[in-house]
Amino acid sequence: DADVTQTPRNRITKTGKRIMLECSQTKGHDRMYWYRQDPGLGLRLIYYSFDVKDINKGEISDGYSVSRQAQAKFSLSLESAIPNQTALYFCATSDGRGRENTIYFGEGSWLTVV
Amino acid sequence: DAKTTQPNSMESNEEEPVHLPCNHSTISGTDYIHWYRQLPSQGPEYVIHGLTSNVNNRMASLAIAEDRKSSTLILHRATLRDAAVYYCILRPPLSGSARQLTFGSGTQLTVLP
Repeated sequence: DADVTQTPRNRITKTGKRIMLECSQTKGHDRMYWYRQDPGLGLRLIYYSFDVKDINKGEISDGYSVSRQAQAKFSLSLESAIPNQTALYFCATSDGRGRENTIYFGEGSWLTVV
Repeated sequence: DAKTTQPNSMESNEEEPVHLPCNHSTISGTDYIHWYRQLPSQGPEYVIHGLTSNVNNRMASLAIAEDRKSSTLILHRATLRDAAVYYCILRPPLSGSARQLTFGSGTQLTVLP
């Protein structure tokens, strides 16, 4: 089983609908992240959380919200989806207690907004 | 914030070595150099990281310039499965900052049979 699991893996939704992407991890890491990937633009950070009570905006947070329900769970919501939010979304984790600062990614969630 | 510069694309022949360069001229003294790769239809995966000394693991080697302003990821014998986008990023030692949590566009490596 994957250490970082994202659901759903694929979703098509209509403009204006609310959609939630969920992420859970079994690595015991305290830090979790949501990234968005568009063709030719690499990975861009949407939100990040360094512990359950800590939520921070990344570079492209407008139109998104997050919830850190537990140390192992971090969900991303699009309250009113729009077509330019069509992208590949990745959840990631890292260990805030070690020096390596390595990031571990999920397999991605394809979201299409029509 | 320190940034990295990589070529957009590179090609290699199968079973030959590949040297993927990365420039990071504004690196701070405490930044670690990390490499990740993203295979088609998958999330990025960790490859290797280093601070000052060259590093080897089962996937690759990392050669770091003496002044730390550049580094090179070395795949000793490229296989078709190594075709991916390779990202070089700088990671600070742990802190409360989100500095360097964003990836650039990386280098698309094509391996020719």
